[in-house]
Order: sequence, then C-alpha cells, then structure tokens
Amino acid sequence: ETGVTQTPRHLVMGMTNKKSLKCEQHLGHNAMYWYKQSAKKPLELMFVYSLEERVENNSVPSRFSPECPNSSHLFLHLHTLQPEDSALYLCASSPGLAVYNEQFFGPGTRLTVL
Amino acid sequence: RKEVEQDPGPFNVPEGATVAFNCTYSNSASQSFFWYRQDCRKEPKLLMSVYSSGNEDGRFTAQLNRASQYISLLIRDSKLSDSATYLCVVNGNDYKLSFGAGTTVTVRA
Repeated sequence: ETGVTQTPRHLVMGMTNKKSLKCEQHLGHNAMYWYKQSAKKPLELMFVYSLEERVENNSVPSRFSPECPNSSHLFLHLHTLQPEDSALYLCASSPGLAVYNEQFFGPGTRLTVL
Repeated sequence: RKEVEQDPGPFNVPEGATVAFNCTYSNSASQSFFWYRQDCRKEPKLLMSVYSSGNEDGRFTAQLNRASQYISLLIRDSKLSDSATYLCVVNGNDYKLSFGAGTTVTVRA
C-alpha cells in the first residue's frame, strides 16, 4: 500500500464504548498529525508527533488519547465520547515539521457517537 | 477573528467558465500558503502551493497579496471534475497549518 491509510473508515459507538482509530503512513515521513473535521468547519489540529514524540496537544479533551509507537503508525484511543465528538477524523503525515512541508492526508474515519 | 476566512460559496458555474475566489488570513507573519482540494466525503489533497510572485499550474492560477493578507485562486475553462471544496491553508512560523472552512465550487454541464 502507498500513502496514508486509516482504519476503520466508519465507526459508530456509544458514549460508554472504548475504540481506537489507526493510521499508517508508507511515505517514510517523520511527522504525523490528527485532525478533526466537523461539518462546515475548518480542520482542527488535535495532536502532532515528530519522530514518535508528541510535540502538540491542542487543548484536546482527555477522552481522546493519542499513541505513536513508531514513525509509521499513529493511534487515537477514544473513550466516553460525547455526541458532539461526531466528526471526520483525519490523519496526516509530512516529511518533517518544516514550515513548507506538504501534509498528506489519509481518507479519514467518519465517527458517529450515539 | 478567524485565522483564515473564506467565502463558503457555493460558486455555481457552467463548464468552460472562469471562477475566482479569495481567502484572507490574520497572521501577518505567515510564511507559506497552499490551496488544498477536498472532494465530497474525501480527504484534502494539495492542489498547489502559493508563491509570492504568483504561480500557475495548468488552468489554475494562485496569487498572494501580503500587503492585504489574502490569497486567491482562479480556475479557467472549468471542468465538471473541478467541482469540489477548495481549502485555503496558511502556515505561520511553525508546522501548524491553519485551514479555512472551504469554498465550494460546482461546475454544471
């Protein structure tokens, strides 16, 4: 596979469930990102990892917990979510954290919280 | 004030027409600028970077006006396949990208 992949593509969960989103990049990049995209709103940056080290935690509620075991994989662990957390969750990667680096996005996980 | 603001549209244009739209940004220290394209229910993909002198990629032309803090995108000879949401993306002095909410373009036959 090439590029950035995400699983699952769709997820429906109750507020008491625990689930995880997975992202994998096959581009040899060193930086990975989690974004949230709600309808009609700009993408919101959630977390940034560089060489497996978290460099950004953008005031995200603790019910979202990221994990980056290596530079190719990124997880977002979810627990006790709220209905307003329903959104498209996008993973992205870039060669590094340089200002001019393009970010490559995965197809996203569309999450619905009941 | 939002970091990046865009007219949400939609811009409904016939095939072959020219369509143009702007986005404004609030951080005067912004260093890099991009247009991303997002198709319905798909991920954003880079359309083009925007350089200070302006740049063209086929039917697409991007301009940057630092004094007025806006960037523009012009699409010539619109195709049906150009129908999408165009995201204005601005980078300050670090790795964080600021996204606009997008401008929707619909090209009709």
